[in-house]
Amino acid sequence: DTEVTQTPKHLVMGMTNKKSLKCEQHMGHRAMYWYKQKAKKPPELMFVYSYEKLSINESVPSRFSPECPNSSLLNLHLHALQPEDSALYLCASSQVIQSNQPQHFGDGTRLSIL
Amino acid sequence: SQQGEEDPQALSIQEGENATMNCSYKTSINNLQWYRQNSGRGLVHLILIRSNEREKHSGRLRVTLDTSKKSSSLLITASRAADTASYFCAILPQAGGGNKLTFGTGTQLKVEL
Repeated sequence: DTEVTQTPKHLVMGMTNKKSLKCEQHMGHRAMYWYKQKAKKPPELMFVYSYEKLSINESVPSRFSPECPNSSLLNLHLHALQPEDSALYLCASSQVIQSNQPQHFGDGTRLSIL
Repeated sequence: SQQGEEDPQALSIQEGENATMNCSYKTSINNLQWYRQNSGRGLVHLILIRSNEREKHSGRLRVTLDTSKKSSSLLITASRAADTASYFCAILPQAGGGNKLTFGTGTQLKVEL
């Protein structure tokens, strides 16, 4: 079992839908991350939150909107997605944004855009 | 690109054999990390090696780092079927801020009974 919990595990949505991905950790970590992973490819960083503030946005399209309501929760709001956005979305956390801290990953949400 | 390149892309071995995966990168690093990803699951951190370290061990895992050649290797000894997974190196460059890992292309390991 992973210590980072992501819901839902699977999500199918149309291009006009609005949905949200959720991520939760109770390890007291203060840095949280969203990654996008296509099949047989490495994860690509999307967003980084540090102490509930957005620290890094890797030029992600505005149809992806992150939110960090508190230190344990991270959301990714989705709106008007495109078929090419179909992927595995991974959440991760680490103690703080420091160079010697490994990241802990959830099992991801597999997103399919119709 | 700062992305690491891993080889081989795929590796198939028999249970009990050793598996070696290599990672090459282009930038100066702060540290290099190895992660495992089982099919349909998230990534699991295996080992972190800092730029001033040359070798680290963890159980059946051995990681080496050669900063002069900008390369690292992951050795899994006495492999088991449960080691079947994708393995990614991830580099944290010296320049830039925050914990911004860049993952390598990955090696798909299959351990057969």
